[in-house]
Amino acid sequence: NAGVTQTPKFQVLKTGQSMTLQCAQDMNHNSMYWYRQDPGMGLRLIYYSASEGTTDKGEVPNGYNVSRLNKREFSLRLESAAPSQTSVYFCASSTTGTDYNSPLHFGNGTRLTVT
Amino acid sequence: GESVGLHLPTLSVQEGDNSIINCAYSNSASDYFIWYKQESGKGPQFIIDIRSNMDKRQGQRVTVLLNKTVKHLSLQIAATQPGDSAVYFCAENIERRSEKGGSEKLVFGKGTKLTVNP
Repeated sequence: NAGVTQTPKFQVLKTGQSMTLQCAQDMNHNSMYWYRQDPGMGLRLIYYSASEGTTDKGEVPNGYNVSRLNKREFSLRLESAAPSQTSVYFCASSTTGTDYNSPLHFGNGTRLTVT
Repeated sequence: GESVGLHLPTLSVQEGDNSIINCAYSNSASDYFIWYKQESGKGPQFIIDIRSNMDKRQGQRVTVLLNKTVKHLSLQIAATQPGDSAVYFCAENIERRSEKGGSEKLVFGKGTKLTVNP
C-alpha cells in the first residue's frame, strides 16, 4: 500500500516548455487534489476532482490543466511553463461522502523549477 | 485571503517537554479541522482531526483542542521527541462541495516550525 505516489520527484523546465505531473493513489479514494506550496503562502489548491469523470478549478488554476484518467490517477499539465510556476506540487486524495469528513492524504511532492 | 493563521511561526522546545502549537481561524461556519506535520522534503502527513461538535480529541501523544468561542485550535504534543521536529499546519474545512461523492475545501495555515532540542 503505497498511498499517494507522485512522479517525477524533481523537474527543471525552460520557460515555454510543457510537462505533465503524474499522481496515483491506491486507497480507492474518490476525491483527488493538486496543490502548490510556495514559501510564506501555504498550500493553495490548483484543481480538484471530486470523483472520476469530474474536475473543477481551485484557488489558482491559471496556467494548468488536469485529467482524471480513472479513479486512481489524476494528472496535472503545464502547457507553457512560466517562472511563476516554480513551486512544490502536491497531489492528495481523500474519501468523502455527503455526510462525513475525512483528511487528505498527500504524496511527497514534485519540486519544479522553471528557468 | 486565508482565514487560517498561526500565532507563532517558530517554536523551540527541549526534548521531553510538552509542545503547544496554536492556530486561529476566522470562519465560524467551519465544521472540520485537521492538523498536519510536514518534514523536510516530504508531503504533509495527517496527525489528528476534530469536528466542530467536539472540543477535544486525543491521539497517541497528541491532543487537539477546539475553542469555537474564540475560533482557536491548538495541538498539544506530549513528551516531545527529536522526531517531532517539523512544520505543523492546521487546516479548516470551509465548504463541503455538493459534487457526486463530495469533496472538501480546505484552507491551510502557513505553518509553525517546531524544533526539538536534545
